[in-house]
Amino acid sequence: QQQVKQSPQSLIVQKGGISIINCAYENTAFDYFPWYQQFPGKGPALLIAIRPDVSEKKEGRFTISFNKSAKQFSLHIMDSQPGDSATYFCAASMDSGAGSYQLTFGKGTKLSVIP
Amino acid sequence: DAEITQSPRHKITETGRQVTLACHQTWNHNNMFWYRQDLGHGLRLIHYSYGVQDTNKGEVSDGYSVSRSNTEDLPLTLESAASSQTSVYFCASSDSGQGGYEQYFGPGTRLTVT
Repeated sequence: QQQVKQSPQSLIVQKGGISIINCAYENTAFDYFPWYQQFPGKGPALLIAIRPDVSEKKEGRFTISFNKSAKQFSLHIMDSQPGDSATYFCAASMDSGAGSYQLTFGKGTKLSVIP
Repeated sequence: DAEITQSPRHKITETGRQVTLACHQTWNHNNMFWYRQDLGHGLRLIHYSYGVQDTNKGEVSDGYSVSRSNTEDLPLTLESAASSQTSVYFCASSDSGQGGYEQYFGPGTRLTVT
């Protein structure tokens, strides 16, 4: 059972455009929703994260929108740049106790930003 | 600087052989994780540990084992490598003292089982 569904699998955006990646989750116990960015040959790195008590979080050109009732969240990349070309993973997590969070990842979206 | 390292970065082995992948972190994090990454599957949790002598099975633990004898290391062992275990393996760690939210990933080990 896939607990976090991510779409699209791949995305091509023109430089300067908006990239949008969507995720949906099933488990209402999840309380932490990060996005990870991965460049080829590298490990994933935390990009931005949100908790369900807010509907939006913005960091520079990156924004997470969160809809708790629909159990959906999305990543928006404004003014997309070729350097943003990477694979993006959404994830969901809940506290397993004593400050220990396990991440359940979506399957990833490969973003290509073309000049 | 504190970091998380994995070795080897690339490994080719034969079916049936035992293989151990190393993971070492210098952040003194309590929590450590092993994932495998396959096209179309994203990152899937293999095993995890919340401290020394603690180990737990993840989503895809069959055929893998881990042991945690100190804070810094969590080696992953494939007891009898199978072609289905060809994958890229990532180790990660997080600090339970800081809430354990953010996981820091190593650079990965590409394993090919022939």
